[in-house]
Amino acid sequence: AAGVIQSPRHLIKEKRETATLKCYPIPRHDTVYWYQQGPGQDPQFLISFYEKMQSDKGSIPDRFSAQQFSDYHSELNMSSLELGDSALYFCASSSYRAGANVLTFGAGSRLTVL
Amino acid sequence: AQSVSQHNHHVILSEAASLELGCNYSYGGTVNLFWYVQYPGQHLQLLLKYFSGDPLVKGIKGFEAEFIKSKFSFNLRKPSVQWSDTAEYFCAVNRGSGGSNYKLTFGKGTLLTVNP
Repeated sequence: AAGVIQSPRHLIKEKRETATLKCYPIPRHDTVYWYQQGPGQDPQFLISFYEKMQSDKGSIPDRFSAQQFSDYHSELNMSSLELGDSALYFCASSSYRAGANVLTFGAGSRLTVL
Repeated sequence: AQSVSQHNHHVILSEAASLELGCNYSYGGTVNLFWYVQYPGQHLQLLLKYFSGDPLVKGIKGFEAEFIKSKFSFNLRKPSVQWSDTAEYFCAVNRGSGGSNYKLTFGKGTLLTVNP
C-alpha cells in the first residue's frame, strides 16, 4: 500500500540558509500534519492543512511557513535556519472525508544545520 | 488542550520478561488513544489504537493496551518481550470529535531496551 512520502530524507544546511521539505500524503488523504522531533524528544506538532487550508497551528516558528497544494502535497519552508532547527521532520496524513482519524507517518526528513 | 504523561523514561528488560508501560492523559472530552513505536532511526509506526468499545485492544506484534476511563489511563502491555522490541514507545491522543483536525499530542516517550 502507498505510504506517506517525504523528501529529501536527509538535508544539511548552514546557519541562515533556507530549506524546503516536501510531503506527499497517501492517495485520497485530505489532511496533512507536520511534526518536529528534536534529538531524544517527542514529536511536536507544527501545523496542519485540510483541503489546502491551514486547519491548526502549533509551535511553528515565524521563520517557517507551509502550504498544501491542489494535489494535496505539502511543503514546509524554513528560512534563516538556526542550529536548533536540526531535527527530524515528520509529515503525516489522514482522511477526514473517510472518517479515518488515524495518522500515518512518513519516514521523516532529517535536517542538520551546521 | 490535551496532555499525555508517560511514567517511565527508560525501561530495561531481559527477553521473555513482561512489559507494562504507563500512559495517562488529560482532556475533558472524548479522546482517541494510540501507541506508536519508533525503532532506532526510523519513523513512527502505529502499534494499536482505541476509539470506542472494548477497552482492551490488541495491536501488532503481540502488544495490547487497556483503556481505563476512570483513571484516564491507556497502558501498553506485552506478556513476553523480544530483543527486537527495543525501541521508543510513544503514547498519543487526539480529540474524539476533531472535525477535520485529528492532530496528535504525544507523550515524552519511553525507551525500551531488551537485553538478549
